[in-house]
Amino acid sequence: AQTVTQSQPEMSVQEAETVTLSCTYDTSESDYYLFWYKQPPSRQMILVIRQEAYKQQNATENRFSVNFQKAAKSFSLKISDSQLGDAAMYFCAYIINTGTASKLTFGTGTRLQVTL
Amino acid sequence: EPEVTQTPSHQVTQMGQEVILRCVPISNHLYFYWYRQILGQKVEFLVSFYNNEISEKSEIFDDQFSVERPDGSNFTLKIRSTKLEDSAMYFCASRFRDLSSYEQYFGPGTRLTVT
Repeated sequence: AQTVTQSQPEMSVQEAETVTLSCTYDTSESDYYLFWYKQPPSRQMILVIRQEAYKQQNATENRFSVNFQKAAKSFSLKISDSQLGDAAMYFCAYIINTGTASKLTFGTGTRLQVTL
Repeated sequence: EPEVTQTPSHQVTQMGQEVILRCVPISNHLYFYWYRQILGQKVEFLVSFYNNEISEKSEIFDDQFSVERPDGSNFTLKIRSTKLEDSAMYFCASRFRDLSSYEQYFGPGTRLTVT
């Protein structure tokens, strides 16, 4: 079965500090894409960052970066200089490249609290 | 910036009633999806749609569910006879045809409450 595991149901970080959210996944495929989505209380799903599995270089988007370890099937998200607006549920997900309408498979999420 | 829209934002219905959830994907997107999220749980795939037919469906998407793209812009999810366990947030998503970019754009969701 293809699964995504987020072992931290909740995390807390102080404003301006750095936090890392962990994610591991299990797939036998070699061609896939990994994503982190943010879900604030409004429940809108917002793409935070994307990583192509064929790229060795870790993706970065401003304060957000990933640590992609393909052999270990690990895809952690680092948030630097945390802000109050970063408080949300964060979901790790992947898509297998099937060349068609590939679906997203999500993890169970990590709730991030940001404190003053 | 183009966005996926969904209506209604909240739907309350009685068990056994039919509901239709509506989505307007981004205009040049060709792949369409429905996902659902039961409160406090992860987002689950329901169905994908391409070229006017279902590409893939999950085990959740049983005979009570159907999708269609009736007019080239709307993308609808119909639940024929709702059950209490259908109460969830339903997200529509769409994707561009470029196979080098697998990013799916999500709508704001429709909260379905079955009483």
